[in-house]
Amino acid sequence: GESVGLHLPTLSVQEGDNSIINCAYSNSASDYFIWYKQESGKGPQFIIDIRSNMDKRQGQRVTVLLNKTVKHLSLQIAATQPGDSAVYFCADLSGGYQKVTFGTGTKLQVIP
Amino acid sequence: DVKVTQSSRYLVKRTGEKVFLECVQDMDHENMFWYRQDPGLGLRLIYFSYDVKMKEKGDIPEGYSVSREKKERFSLILESASTNQTSMYLCASRASQMIYTFGSGTRLTVV
Repeated sequence: GESVGLHLPTLSVQEGDNSIINCAYSNSASDYFIWYKQESGKGPQFIIDIRSNMDKRQGQRVTVLLNKTVKHLSLQIAATQPGDSAVYFCADLSGGYQKVTFGTGTKLQVIP
Repeated sequence: DVKVTQSSRYLVKRTGEKVFLECVQDMDHENMFWYRQDPGLGLRLIYFSYDVKMKEKGDIPEGYSVSREKKERFSLILESASTNQTSMYLCASRASQMIYTFGSGTRLTVV
C-alpha cells in the first residue's frame, strides 16, 4: 500500500449501497494481497485475500479485484451495512511473504 | 480462532519511564510482530521474532527493544519513554500462512 499523506481518505456511503475501496501498491514483485478491517478501538481483522495469479476473489458480501498491470487493488462491499463502518486497509506481500507493506487505509462511513 | 491478547488497552506513562507492552498468542505461531500505527502513516514495523529468543529489527527499532523468552509471549520495551512514542501499538502473530492476526492494540500516551 502507499502512503496517502496525513489525512485518512473517507468514503461515505448510504446504507444498502455498494462500496468500493481502492488501494495502490508500488512493489511490482508483490504476489499476495490482504484486506483488513479495523473498527474504532480494535485491532485489524482479516477480511479477504488474493494471490497474484488471480484477478478476482469473492467472499461473503465482499469481492477483491486485482489489476497487476496498474498495481491496483479494490475491495467491493455489497449492500453496505452500518456495521461495515471502519477503516479498511490493504497489505501486499513479496519476497516469499517475508516483506509486507500495509497501506494507510480508507475510512468507510455508512449513512443510515 | 487465533487469539492475540495485548495486556493493556490504554496506558499513560511519564517521559523517561521504562514501559513494557505485553502480547500473548494462543495458537503456537512461530512469528510475532510489533507495529505502531499513527494517523496517515499506516502500520510501521518495530521488531519481529521468528522463534523463541530470536529477534529482528524492523523499520523503526530506535528507542525500542523486545523480548521473546517463550513462544507465546512477545514483549515490547520502551527503555526510556518519550513523547514521540505516543502511539497505538499493535501486536500480531502469524503461522506459516501469510495472514497476520492482530491484537486489539495498546494506545500509549507519554506525557
